[in-house]
Amino acid sequence: NAGVTQTPKFQVLKTGQSMTLQCAQDMNHEYMSWYRQDPGMGLRLIHYSVGAGITDQGEVPNGYNVSRSTTEDFPLRLLSAAPSQTSVYFCASSYSLGAGTVIYEQYFGPGTRLTVT
Amino acid sequence: GESVGLHLPTLSVQEGDNSIINCAYSNSASDYFIWYKQESGKGPQFIIDIRSNMDKRQGQRVTVLLNKTVKHLSLQIAATQPGDSAVYFCAENGGSQGNLIFGKGTKLSVKP
Repeated sequence: NAGVTQTPKFQVLKTGQSMTLQCAQDMNHEYMSWYRQDPGMGLRLIHYSVGAGITDQGEVPNGYNVSRSTTEDFPLRLLSAAPSQTSVYFCASSYSLGAGTVIYEQYFGPGTRLTVT
Repeated sequence: GESVGLHLPTLSVQEGDNSIINCAYSNSASDYFIWYKQESGKGPQFIIDIRSNMDKRQGQRVTVLLNKTVKHLSLQIAATQPGDSAVYFCAENGGSQGNLIFGKGTKLSVKP
């Protein structure tokens, strides 16, 4: 298994540009999520999905969109990049017992380092 | 295990010593806790987890202790090695729909 894969690894955008960060997992996990990691801030949840066709907002969703058309893929879209979105982005997946129940151990991808100038 | 501003708490230990990393969690309703290790430039990696019906769980060279009374979690690493140098995060499933809430991390440095 490749686990959780993310592309690209690095990206530089200009303010106002849009882009999509790709995330895929081959473990048949129902639950997938996107986090951003800023220095001294730990990991903050952007959006998550408990299954194909279902997405929901996390702690810091503004400026980001997601979709979940398949179990395997969970892309994150930046609609109009801003310098405040400079961060490292991690995708993660896990088994779960369904919406409203415990999320188990999450497997993380290697991250995408995004700089917005 | 909590940081202020941009500075992570740092724990520096001698190789071979035992390390203890602490974490205060936020939600008394959380019933599942995880410790992650993050090496520079990589994604977090699962170390060990514990459910709220336990107060101690052991893995290979690692032990997690849970004190629900004071909402405290600790990670003990036995015979710390240079490869243990990393940032360690605790997480609890106290978010909506059981989402994980992460602590801000503690940086462990191992001196040879």
